[in-house]
Amino acid sequence: AQSVTQPDIHITVSEGASLELRCNYSYGATPYLFWYVQSPGQGLQLLLKYFSGDTLVQGIKGFEAEFKRSQSSFNLRKPSVHWSDAAEYFCAVGAPQAAGNKLTFGGGTRVLVKP
Amino acid sequence: GAVVSQHPSWVICKSGTSVKIECRSLDFQATTMFWYRQFPKQSLMLMATSNEGSKATYEQGVEKDKFLINHASLTLSTLTVTSAHPEDSSFYICSARMTTGADTQYFGPGTRLTVL
Repeated sequence: AQSVTQPDIHITVSEGASLELRCNYSYGATPYLFWYVQSPGQGLQLLLKYFSGDTLVQGIKGFEAEFKRSQSSFNLRKPSVHWSDAAEYFCAVGAPQAAGNKLTFGGGTRVLVKP
Repeated sequence: GAVVSQHPSWVICKSGTSVKIECRSLDFQATTMFWYRQFPKQSLMLMATSNEGSKATYEQGVEKDKFLINHASLTLSTLTVTSAHPEDSSFYICSARMTTGADTQYFGPGTRLTVL
């Protein structure tokens, strides 16, 4: 069974500082990995995804993530945080289409941005 | 592109009534749609997978007779919460996967259901 762990429930960061959100996964094969962001009362917006190839993935809003197979990790980073980045971030591991395409989400990390 | 809408965005109903939530893919066709439930300050839990033209597949512990799912077209899936009770109050989010090529789910904005 697939599972995702986001060790940090909350992270507070100053505006302009760098941000790194941790994600560890468990999956029996090569995983499909995703990061989504959710603003309060809103749905989820896809930030980036990894299926294969280059292990450093660029996403929207200046985010990037690095897939490290040896560490079963897919950490999200942003060099300089903006106040609008305050939100809940979810890492997810997915099965490919042939296996039902189901997503399993981590518990989420809430990011607070200090002025 | 890849926009998914939900209607209504919020609904308040009395206990015992039924509520229908619509999920539409606006600019793509979606063979498969997914329904999730999210409790406050928690992650998303998959309720069911909805395939166009066939019966939905429910996750373990989800009552299929209580949460009726219909996926009548490639752009519309509906979730009906039947005989709603206060414990059904939650944030319901749908997602859709494109028909061709993609293994990415695109999410709707969610529907807040409050059962009095």
